[in-house]
Amino acid sequence: GAVVSQHPSRVICKSGTSVKIECRSLDFQATTMFWYRQFPKQSLMLMATSNEGSKATYEQGVEKDKFLINHASLTLSTLTVTSAHPEDSSFYICSAREGGATNNSPLHFGNGTRLTVT
Amino acid sequence: GNSVTQMEGPVTLSEEAFLTINCTYTATGYPSLFWYVQYPGEGLQLLLKATKADDKGSNKGFEATYRKETTSFHLEKGSVQVSDSAVYFCALNPTGNTPLVFGKGTRLSVIA
Repeated sequence: GAVVSQHPSRVICKSGTSVKIECRSLDFQATTMFWYRQFPKQSLMLMATSNEGSKATYEQGVEKDKFLINHASLTLSTLTVTSAHPEDSSFYICSAREGGATNNSPLHFGNGTRLTVT
Repeated sequence: GNSVTQMEGPVTLSEEAFLTINCTYTATGYPSLFWYVQYPGEGLQLLLKATKADDKGSNKGFEATYRKETTSFHLEKGSVQVSDSAVYFCALNPTGNTPLVFGKGTRLSVIA
């Protein structure tokens, strides 16, 4: 079945540094990928929609200069948390849909990245 | 707008008990409906789905029926196991290649 690989699974960084998270669709092409952030009480917040070959679409309240998204190919999207601060510590999850522009296809999720900023 | 409401947890059950996690939705048009499961420290895995009214999705003993008349998609399992302990998310996809709209998740703990 469709697999989305996310790397790294866990990262600890110092305040002020930048961290890059990769999301790959392993056996299908994804023109669109979605980045979510999960808060401690489980809720998932959509951060942005990553579009291959064009600019990402950010949700209201998400700083595009802080959370840089690059969708360089049909199988890879990256999220870079720039100048990270402790409040950016969270669980980040990427997802992609196999099958294109139909609402019947489920989203496949990566295993998430636990970011801790010290 | 589109939204999903699911019962708040945590839900704690004994092994072999019957499980119901309620989910209702609001959507325009004809959304597809999904249940996802998240085990500790992991991402979300698709559990089951239904794409039109009266469809029943089922997997691993879990099932849910797409009820358009009550705008519901309740998750059920007849006999839960300790290994079912996880967070369960109800979600809908309104149209096309759009992000899912999630409920807030329900944590299930099954004790032996």
